Amino acid sequence: NAGVTQTPKFQVLKTGQSMTLQCAQDMNHEYMSWYRQDPGMGLRLIHYSVGAGITDQGEVPNGYNVSRSTTEDFPLRLLSAAPSQTSVYFCASSSFQGMGTQYFGPGTRLLVL
Amino acid sequence: AQTVTQSQPEMSVQEAETVTLSCTYDTSESDYYLFWYKQPPSRQMILVIRQEAYKQQNATENRFSVNFQKAAKSFSLKISDSQLGDAAMYFCAYRKESGNTPLVFGKGTRLSVIA
Repeated sequence: NAGVTQTPKFQVLKTGQSMTLQCAQDMNHEYMSWYRQDPGMGLRLIHYSVGAGITDQGEVPNGYNVSRSTTEDFPLRLLSAAPSQTSVYFCASSSFQGMGTQYFGPGTRLLVL
Repeated sequence: AQTVTQSQPEMSVQEAETVTLSCTYDTSESDYYLFWYKQPPSRQMILVIRQEAYKQQNATENRFSVNFQKAAKSFSLKISDSQLGDAAMYFCAYRKESGNTPLVFGKGTRLSVIA
């Protein structure tokens, strides 16, 4: 199993550009989520999904869109990038079974100029 | 809303010694899960240990153990025989018992290991 994969690993954007961060998991997990990590702030939840076709907002959703058309994929879209969105982005997935331990992707480092 | 507090932004420990990282949380739930994640310089988030709130016995994983005090809402991580590879950011996290709820993270503790 590849687990949770994210692409790209690193991206530079100009203010106003849009892009999609990809996330995929091969563990058949129902739950998927996106976090951003900023220095001194821990991980903050952007959006999450409890299954295909179902998404919900987290703590910091503004400026981001998500969709979940399949169980495996959960892309994060930046509609019009801003310097405040410079961060490291993590995707995570978990099963509804047991303790629901979340497994993380390797992260995407995004720099918005 | 649930919150997780890690009161020690930075800690250091001598190699082979023991260190304890603190975590407290706020919840009105009776059933929930608690986790410690490690983030080394590679940035990969790695699960260290987890605890179910209904279990009184403290979880252990090799050199890692927790001190879970449910009444005090405290979940500290003890690392024994510290190794250079233990140097990392450590995050405490909370999740409601229901599997479709988000993980709530503390802000992390940066652990340095001195040779």
